[in-house]
Amino acid sequence: EDQVTQSPEALRLQEGESSSLNCSYTVSGLRGLFWYRQDPGKGPEFLFTLYSAGEEKEKERLKATLTKKESFLHITAPKPEDSATYLCAVKQGAQKLVFGQGTRLTINP
Amino acid sequence: NAGVTQTPKFRVLKTGQSMTLLCAQDMNHEYMYWYRQDPGMGLRLIHYSVGEGTTAKGEVPDGYNVSRLKKQNFLLGLESAAPSQTSVYFCASSYGRVDSPLHFGNGTRLTVT
Repeated sequence: EDQVTQSPEALRLQEGESSSLNCSYTVSGLRGLFWYRQDPGKGPEFLFTLYSAGEEKEKERLKATLTKKESFLHITAPKPEDSATYLCAVKQGAQKLVFGQGTRLTINP
Repeated sequence: NAGVTQTPKFRVLKTGQSMTLLCAQDMNHEYMYWYRQDPGMGLRLIHYSVGEGTTAKGEVPDGYNVSRLKKQNFLLGLESAAPSQTSVYFCASSYGRVDSPLHFGNGTRLTVT
């Protein structure tokens, strides 16, 4: 059974303090690993898709990387507006996404 | 661009009542999905559709029914609501290619008392 586990559940950082979020997965034949951002009261917003080990994608202060067993979302010099819940998901077959439980990130000014 | 629109945004039901949640997308996406999100459980797939007139069960389909009569709309029905169905419901859509991300609406918060 495909599984996605995210850690930590919650992370509190000071503004400018870089860190990483982890997403570990077990899936038969990875067809894509997706990162989303979710703000309170809103739906998840797509950030990145990664397909193969060694791949990296960047957007502003965020960089996502992928190995054969896990993905990391690196946050460099974060700002308070980066506070959100970050969700990781893997593609199951051609149609469905299986989500992790998310990491709630808080950036204090 | 409206994207994915869900109505209503909030609803309170009594046990045993029925209701329908409406999802509409204006991106001409083939695939549509209904997820529920509960604290500590993440997003779980209820039902999905790969095209007009088709539906399929997801991970937690019991107690729900769906219909996709038009390509742009996907309806989620609760025939007899139970307190366990208290949750936030999200609709999503995608082009359906393997690399297609899902685009989500802003959710419906449902409370069943």
